[in-house]
Amino acid sequence: DTGVSQDPRHKITKRGQNVTFRCDPISEHNRLYWYRQTLGQGPEFLTYFQNEAQLEKSRLLSDRFSAERPKGSFSTLEIQRTEQGDSAMYLCASSSDRGRGNEQFFGPGTRLTVL
Amino acid sequence: SQQGEEDPQALSIQEGENATMNCSYKTSINNLQWYRQNSGRGLVHLILIRSNEREKHSGRLRVTLDTSKKSSSLLITASRAADTASYFCATDASDYKLSFGAGTTVTVRA
Repeated sequence: DTGVSQDPRHKITKRGQNVTFRCDPISEHNRLYWYRQTLGQGPEFLTYFQNEAQLEKSRLLSDRFSAERPKGSFSTLEIQRTEQGDSAMYLCASSSDRGRGNEQFFGPGTRLTVL
Repeated sequence: SQQGEEDPQALSIQEGENATMNCSYKTSINNLQWYRQNSGRGLVHLILIRSNEREKHSGRLRVTLDTSKKSSSLLITASRAADTASYFCATDASDYKLSFGAGTTVTVRA
């Protein structure tokens, strides 16, 4: 399967701990996105990479959040000092800027539960 | 904040019936996309309609777009149990990030 993969699929942590998620995009895609989805809502944009450059960060992404995409391949999203309000599904998506109209391909998500 | 709003929030239909859901949005867009999400899983892209298009078909799916009313509709014909899912519209105003609505939950009864 050459789709977008995310690891881990589930993460349970205690408040105050740091967590890191990984996303592996479709190999030929140069764009990578992180979204957050809470229960009963649609995904909300967090951040966007074009190759290795992080081009936009949402105001939702507080100082406790950091994302990287070294070498323009996989990406990591780290949350420091987790809070209960961080509990959500974190979705990664990728696309190609040579694609048709920014069709994005989503991974299965990482479900974070902060106790 | 989310740009799009889907209506209805939930829809229950009998297998074989058609399902229609609507999406309204607030700002100018480059294109509008519809995604499906099965319970607790990632999103699957269904169809994209550009701002200069009015209607598009893909298999049993028909999407319309009315930019003057800032609205779109998704029609699923001859529904099947496998169509049970949440459906989201997503607007693309920037050519990269998508703004999603809260979704319509569709249940297809056998």
